[in-house]
Amino acid sequence: EIVMTQSPATLSVSPGERANLSCRASQSVSNNLAWYQQKPGQAPSLLIYGASTRASGIPARFSGSGSGTEFIFSISSLLSEDFAVYYCQQFYSWPYTFGQGTKVEIK
Amino acid sequence: QVQLQESGPGLVKPSETLSLTCSVSGASITDSYWSWIRQPPGKGLECIGYVFYTGTTNYNPSLKSRVTMSVDTSKNHFSLRLTSVTAADTAVYYCVRALSDSWARGRWFDFWGQGTLVTVSS
Repeated sequence: EIVMTQSPATLSVSPGERANLSCRASQSVSNNLAWYQQKPGQAPSLLIYGASTRASGIPARFSGSGSGTEFIFSISSLLSEDFAVYYCQQFYSWPYTFGQGTKVEIK
Repeated sequence: QVQLQESGPGLVKPSETLSLTCSVSGASITDSYWSWIRQPPGKGLECIGYVFYTGTTNYNPSLKSRVTMSVDTSKNHFSLRLTSVTAADTAVYYCVRALSDSWARGRWFDFWGQGTLVTVSS
């Protein structure tokens, strides 16, 4: 099973600032990686797939990069609605696995 | 817009069977793969498995001996059965659409149900 490790666990950011989140895979997943946002009491929602392709309707301030074992998810200028928990997920091999999440909180 | 809605008991006794159904609207159940993902309270996400309307399934090895997924095309819904539950199975259970593409090795998840909390307790 591929282990996904996200860092940091919590990221404190001021509105309008940039946030960079990291996701590392225990073995190469090529570009078979997705990012999700989860707000309290809600289901996760898809933001990015294929490591860098934004899902339908996702604003351009969200971006993803990386390949192999190292991935970065960025929010260029945080809005109030962006404070949430973010998960990465690999779909290179079964079982698909998620990172433990990074909570982006208001500084 | 694709919508998914989980239904089933919110409380299951230890050693009994958890049964959930996911009703799909806005899409045909035959068009995609469908998955169940769970999230214990305050914890991360775990893929339970996925199913295709032909009966093709793939289950997480950690749960494989206890899981069955099926599709009912006449009702446009799919189901999850998890046997011999324990407190460790207490979680929010999400039904999800699983997508893929020619370049991908596997599937990502684009539409999610709201989730249903299932508590295992006597």
